[in-house]
Amino acid sequence: SQTIHQWPATLVQPVGSPLSLECTVEGTSNPNLYWYRQAAGRGLQLLFYSVGIGQISSEVPQNLSASRPQDRQFILSSKKLLLSDSGFYLCAWRGAQRSPLHFGNGTRLTVT
Amino acid sequence: SQQGEEDPQALSIQEGENATMNCSYKTSINNLQWYRQNSGRGLVHLILIRSNEREKHSGRLRVTLDTSKKSSSLLITASRAADTASYFCATERSSNTGKLIFGQGTTLQVKP
Repeated sequence: SQTIHQWPATLVQPVGSPLSLECTVEGTSNPNLYWYRQAAGRGLQLLFYSVGIGQISSEVPQNLSASRPQDRQFILSSKKLLLSDSGFYLCAWRGAQRSPLHFGNGTRLTVT
Repeated sequence: SQQGEEDPQALSIQEGENATMNCSYKTSINNLQWYRQNSGRGLVHLILIRSNEREKHSGRLRVTLDTSKKSSSLLITASRAADTASYFCATERSSNTGKLIFGQGTTLQVKP
C-alpha cells in the first residue's frame, strides 16, 4: 500500500534561518506531488506541484522554493525565513489526474 | 488563487441532525472533491464527483454538483460527534494541469 511521510511534525525557526521540509512517498511510482500551506483557520493555498523529477510549478511568488531530486521525494526550502512563512505545511501526492489527493500529516512551522 | 468558497464558514448541530455544506467555484471544472480535516492533521479524501455527474453517495455522505450554478453541496446525514472536523471542497479545472484548488472550508461541530 502507498504511504506518505512528512517531517518534521513541528518546527520553530528564527527569522532569517534556512528551511528544509521533506516529503517522501512509498508504494507508488511517478506520483504527482504537491506542497500546500494552511494559515490558521483558513483553507489550503497551493504553493508548488510537480508532475515528474525536476519539474516544479510554482503557484505564488514567495520566499520558498521546491525541488524533486528523486521520483518520490519532494523538498520545500527557504534560504531565509520570514515571519509570514509561519503556517501548517502539507505535502500530498496522487497517482493520476482526476484522482484524489493523499496527504501527509503536515508540519507546523513557527517562525520567531 | 482560491477557487472554491464554502458556506457556511462554521456550523454547529446536535448529534443525529443532518449537516449541509455548500461550495461555489468560478471556472469550469473537470471534477470536484470533498475532504475532511481533523484539527492539526492532514486532509482525508471523502468523495469525488465528476463534472458529468449530478449526485453521488458514499455511506452517510451525499454530494451534489450543479455545473450551471457552479456549486456543490455536501450532506452528512445522521451526524455523529466523530464527524466534528473541517470540510473542504477542491476543484480540478478542465485544463488538466494537475492542480487542485481548495476553498476556505466549513468547520463543523457536532454536539453529543
